[in-house]
Amino acid sequence: KQEVTQIPAALSVPEGENLVLNCSFTDSAIYNLQWFRQDPGKGLTSLLLIQSSQREQTSGRLNASLDKSSGRSTLYIAASQPGDSATYLCAAPNDYKLSFGAGTTVTVRA
Amino acid sequence: DAGVIQSPRHEVTEMGQEVTLRCKPISGHNSLFWYRQTMMRGLELLIYFNNNVPIDDSGMPEDRFSAKMPNASFSTLKIQPSEPRDSAVYFCASSFGTSGYTGELFFGEGSRLTVL
Repeated sequence: KQEVTQIPAALSVPEGENLVLNCSFTDSAIYNLQWFRQDPGKGLTSLLLIQSSQREQTSGRLNASLDKSSGRSTLYIAASQPGDSATYLCAAPNDYKLSFGAGTTVTVRA
Repeated sequence: DAGVIQSPRHEVTEMGQEVTLRCKPISGHNSLFWYRQTMMRGLELLIYFNNNVPIDDSGMPEDRFSAKMPNASFSTLKIQPSEPRDSAVYFCASSFGTSGYTGELFFGEGSRLTVL
């Protein structure tokens, strides 16, 4: 069974600082890994999907890395803004199912 | 594309009443998932459909819960009778996938259910 852990559970940074969010998974035989953002009262928004053959995926200020051998993925958000405040979840597959981490709640202080 | 569309967005009902939640997946997607999210348990997978066929309903908590997917563009999740412990946000999500693979997953905005 795939177990996904995200540490820390919460993070508060001043505006402009770079964010580093960690995700670890127990079963390295994954075919992809996905990062999501969830705003309060909203659904999950897909941020990045990394295929198992990739080591990195970038979208604007977001960059996600994947190291299957160590069972880790990292989401980097450059030059954080107050609008980046949200909960970020990673999800790793187990067959057709996705196992979700509990998320890291980020607060960016203006 | 309009994304995954769920209705209603909010539902308040009394214990014992029937609740029906609806979902329209993204056109072209053949995999559909129903999730439930609570503060205590996080995201829980309730049921998974592939090509309109229920593949895994092991997450459906009780016989009070049922789900259907009559065609590729519509699914329902029904709770009958509803109980206060069913209060949660119910999400529908869709992707393109096979029995052993799920592509990028897209979520709807959710249906917030409150059972009094």
